[in-house]
Amino acid sequence: KAGVTQTPRYLIKTRGQQVTLSCSPISGHRSVSWYQQTPGQGLQFLFEYFSETQRNKGNFPGRFSGRQFSNSRSEMNVSTLELGDSALYLCASSGGQALQYFGPGTRLTVL
Amino acid sequence: QKEVEQDPGPLSVPEGAIVSLNCTYSNSAFQYFMWYRQYSRKGPELLMYTYSSGNKEDGRFTAQVDKSSKYISLFIRDSQPSDSATYLCAMSERAAGNKLTFGGGTRVLVKP
Repeated sequence: KAGVTQTPRYLIKTRGQQVTLSCSPISGHRSVSWYQQTPGQGLQFLFEYFSETQRNKGNFPGRFSGRQFSNSRSEMNVSTLELGDSALYLCASSGGQALQYFGPGTRLTVL
Repeated sequence: QKEVEQDPGPLSVPEGAIVSLNCTYSNSAFQYFMWYRQYSRKGPELLMYTYSSGNKEDGRFTAQVDKSSKYISLFIRDSQPSDSATYLCAMSERAAGNKLTFGGGTRVLVKP
C-alpha cells in the first residue's frame, strides 16, 4: 500500500497570509489527524477528521481549521499567519485503535 | 508539568550496545502506547504499538508498558549507526479517538 502523502513539502509565506496544506491517507483509512511539530513545543495534536466530521480538536486558535472529503483526503488551513506558525505540519492516517502512520510533513516557514 | 515526560538526551552509545529509552506519564486513562522513530526532517515512523500493559518484541526492538508505575520503555538490541535518530513515545486514551499525546523525544547517537 502507498503511504501517507502530503503536499506541498515546503512552503514559504509572509505574516498575514493564509495557507492550505493537503494530505492523502493510506487507502482504506478513514481517519486523518493533523499535528504541529516545533523545536520548542514538540508534536502537538491539532485535530482529527473521521468520515468527513471533526472528531477531536486540540488547543489551537480558530485560525487553524481543516476539512475532510468523501475520499478521506484532508486539508488544513491556517489563516492570518504568524511567525510562530512556522513548523513542520504532519498528517497521520489511521485505520483504528489509535494506530497512526505519519506522512513526511509540510515544512512551513512564515517570514 | 507535561502529561508525558521524556529525557531529551542526547543518548550516545557505541555500535552493538543496547539502547534503553523510557517515558513517564501522568494520565491514567492512557491505554495505547507507541514508539516512533524520526530522522531529521522526516515524518515519524511507527516502531512499536502496545495496548495496555505488558511486553512486546519485534526483531531488535522490545517495548514494555508498566501502567501501575505509569512508565514505558523501549529497548534496542545490537544498535547500529542507522538507529541514530530521535525516538518519540506517544500515548492515547481509549475514548479519545486517534488523538496522540507525545513525549518530547530522545535523540540517540550510535557511534561506529
